Amino acid sequence: GAGVSQSPSNKVTEKGKDVELRCDPISGHTALYWYRQRLGQGLEFLIYFQGNSAPDKSGLPSDRFSAERTGESVSTLTIQRTQQEDSAVYLCASSVGQGLGSYEQYFGPGTRLTVT
Amino acid sequence: KNQVEQSPQSLIILEGKNCTLQCNYTVSPFSNLRWYKQDTGRGPVSLTIMTFSENTKSNGRYTATLDADTKQSSLHITASQLSDSASYICVVSANNGGADGLTFGKGTHLIIQP
Repeated sequence: GAGVSQSPSNKVTEKGKDVELRCDPISGHTALYWYRQRLGQGLEFLIYFQGNSAPDKSGLPSDRFSAERTGESVSTLTIQRTQQEDSAVYLCASSVGQGLGSYEQYFGPGTRLTVT
Repeated sequence: KNQVEQSPQSLIILEGKNCTLQCNYTVSPFSNLRWYKQDTGRGPVSLTIMTFSENTKSNGRYTATLDADTKQSSLHITASQLSDSASYICVVSANNGGADGLTFGKGTHLIIQP
């Protein structure tokens, strides 16, 4: 079956511009996660959606970052007024159930964001 | 503060050889530990998951061990293949289900040479 898909695969933007990254989770997965992976660094948790519950936004690094999810389907991560330090790979993952560590997360291929 | 430390940072071995990657953690209360394989340009893929009561788990040529007393885990790769070249990430989950309950290591970058 189809896995987690993300688009675009690569995005180059100028400093100060806004960007939108998209994630399509595996059908039927109620939980969706966004992570950031800087070069040579581990994954950083950004935000977590579970069903219709309020999202856990505790990992968002600043108010320039926001994310939305429509029901239990597609999610978009928006970064406003991008800065060079936002350059990273942004990974999306989904899982069948709730609880951040309880269920296996299936990752998408990521979006590589470069801010010039 | 919960931390996961992996070693070595990078490793180069010849095809067919074995290797062992290390993961030390200070996550509490411990829930489970996963090893992921991340190929270049791809998302991580889960290899094994281990809970507190498990000390060994295998997945093909990959064998993970867990010592909950010393808070150490290892991933042993047997008879390495070129396709094993990837980053291997150790992820430890705390038993609180919250967003800060998942701690990722920085990974070990493994290169298999022919």
